[in-house]
Amino acid sequence: DTGVSQNPRHKITKRGQNVTFRCDPISEHNRLYWYRQTLGQGPEFLTYFQNEAQLEKSRLLSDRFSAERPKGSFSTLEIQRTEQGDSAMYLCASSLGVRETQYFGPGTRLLVL
Amino acid sequence: GNSVTQMEGPVTLSEEAFLTINCTYTATGYPSLFWYVQYPGEGLQLLLKATKADDKGSNKGFEATYRKETTSFHLEKGSVQVSDSAVYFCALSVSGAQKLVFGQGTRLTINP
Repeated sequence: DTGVSQNPRHKITKRGQNVTFRCDPISEHNRLYWYRQTLGQGPEFLTYFQNEAQLEKSRLLSDRFSAERPKGSFSTLEIQRTEQGDSAMYLCASSLGVRETQYFGPGTRLLVL
Repeated sequence: GNSVTQMEGPVTLSEEAFLTINCTYTATGYPSLFWYVQYPGEGLQLLLKATKADDKGSNKGFEATYRKETTSFHLEKGSVQVSDSAVYFCALSVSGAQKLVFGQGTRLTINP
């Protein structure tokens, strides 16, 4: 499999719970991006990594959100104390480097009740 | 700041009709421009891209030309098929992070 994979594909949780999503990028892609997409809107940038270094975070990424890419391969996105407004599709993308095409995974759909 | 404005949808056409989806942008610096497509139940896929003024991106019969003078990147196809039904996103990226800035998307439905 040469595509970007994300797990789980769907997550339903109760308000106040913590959730963690995983993204496995295409092998050897050193850049990894997280985006969030709400219904009827385009994806919005959250954060990105160059290898294991997190180089930029959007203002959308409140202190309840944390992302890691510990060995420069897979990445995790954790949301603490989830709120109903966190309900969205969380997308991961990877690229080989600067100015290279970003390839997207299928996304993780989060529903916070 | 950087932003993308797309033609509002939904757009409904008959098979073999001509398609145009308008996209204009605002950017600091010199962006690269993209069209991504999201088929029902699938992830975002790159459809085409252009990295400098007057470049034409093309794929699967779709085309878009990077027009710096009008800050536009309109998507066109001469004869659409039912299988083209999807949501289309125009996007830009600028140097540095290369993060993508997306428009709101245009839902296209093609009827047989």
